[in-house]
Amino acid sequence: DAKTTQPTSMDCAEGRAANLPCNHSTISGNEYVYWYRQIHSQGPQYIIHGLKNNETNEMASLIITEDRKSSTLILPHATLRDTAVYYCIVRVGGAGDGGSNYKLTFGKGTLLTVNP
Amino acid sequence: GAGVSQTPSNKVTEKGKYVELRCDPISGHTALYWYRQSLGQGPEFLIYFQGTGAADDSGLPNDRFFAVRPEGSVSTLKIQRTERGDSAVYLCASSLGLAWTDTQYFGPGTRLTVL
Repeated sequence: DAKTTQPTSMDCAEGRAANLPCNHSTISGNEYVYWYRQIHSQGPQYIIHGLKNNETNEMASLIITEDRKSSTLILPHATLRDTAVYYCIVRVGGAGDGGSNYKLTFGKGTLLTVNP
Repeated sequence: GAGVSQTPSNKVTEKGKYVELRCDPISGHTALYWYRQSLGQGPEFLIYFQGTGAADDSGLPNDRFFAVRPEGSVSTLKIQRTERGDSAVYLCASSLGLAWTDTQYFGPGTRLTVL
């Protein structure tokens, strides 16, 4: 799986949009971008994933650049409960090799702190 | 519905002892995964099961670590002759199947401390 690079930490004011960047310059054509987050003392939680089109769900939006070398996770109106470590993961999707498809390879992520 | 549960939530043991960590996946989920998370790091893959069989155990650090899932539901991670370096949070996840679109849902983890 391609390697990802994320800032170590970010701050955001409550009620404002939080924009979390991720670089994945070696991403392959069949690799998807996934985002998980981990609130303190909890297990990771799936947020969203995408291939090349922008995606939106009830939690967040995912913007992937046209060359797919970077992406941004957007939390449109951050709340204090969104304080967490956010992980950007690149993972093979579709009919892959049947083995490493299933592992999630986490980096250190970005600690997002939402301030009142 | 109920999520992935793990017991115990905390386990303190002495160096050299044997420990078992239990994971109850979401009902109906056929795939189960174990990860380990050291302080300040992201989770690291250990092993995953499809049904009763371990499909990939390449992440187990050495032969002191072993995991079973005898009936295709509950799984137990077993660690023999524990060492201080085994101290970490052990996370379990499950997914409906092994389709790449199947989301992995994580439990809260078991915090293991080896004194």
